[in-house]
Amino acid sequence: AIQMTQSPSSLSASVGDRVTISCRASQAIRNDLAWYQQKPGEAPKLLIYSASNLQSGVPSRFSGSGSGTSFTLTISSLQPEDFATYYCLQDYISPFTFGPGTKVDIK
Amino acid sequence: QVQLVESGGGVVQPGGSLRLSCAASGFTFKNYGIHWVRQAPGQGLEWVAFIRYDESNEYYADSVKGRFSVSRDNSKNTQYLQMNSLRTEDTAVYSCVTDRVKFGFGEVDQWGQGTLVIVSS
Repeated sequence: AIQMTQSPSSLSASVGDRVTISCRASQAIRNDLAWYQQKPGEAPKLLIYSASNLQSGVPSRFSGSGSGTSFTLTISSLQPEDFATYYCLQDYISPFTFGPGTKVDIK
Repeated sequence: QVQLVESGGGVVQPGGSLRLSCAASGFTFKNYGIHWVRQAPGQGLEWVAFIRYDESNEYYADSVKGRFSVSRDNSKNTQYLQMNSLRTEDTAVYSCVTDRVKFGFGEVDQWGQGTLVIVSS
């Protein structure tokens, strides 16, 4: 199975900061990567699909980039509601695999 | 709006079985594949299984292959996850999730709230 890694595992940031989260696949997955946001006690929410496509209803401060094995989620200006855990998911080949998550908390 | 309601969770002994159900509404169920994703307490997300909209194919995580099976009844808008030979490491909240694309097999999209499965002696 394809292994997904994320870095950092956690970060502290302030409102207004630019935040970047990395996700790496153990083999090339084209652009078959999605990003999810999960807040405590809630179901995850799809933010980005196909590496760089913004899901409907998601604020434009979220963006994704990358292809092959290296991907990035960027939040251009962190808002209070963005403090959460973020996961990447490869949907290139079964079994699909999630990254271990990156927790973003308040500095 | 899309609604997915899981049921069937509970406490089971190691080696036991459970069948989870996922009742869907608010969309054309027969046109969408459905995934199962689980999350152990305090842990990350793990993709578990998927069945295509027309039941033509099933896919499983290595950790559950041969023990879990998915099925669906499009006439009842319901999906099932049969879990056999349960292990303590299967303890988690299990959620059914729609695929993002009609007739597709790709990103997970709309989630239910999940049902808790505890495997313990």
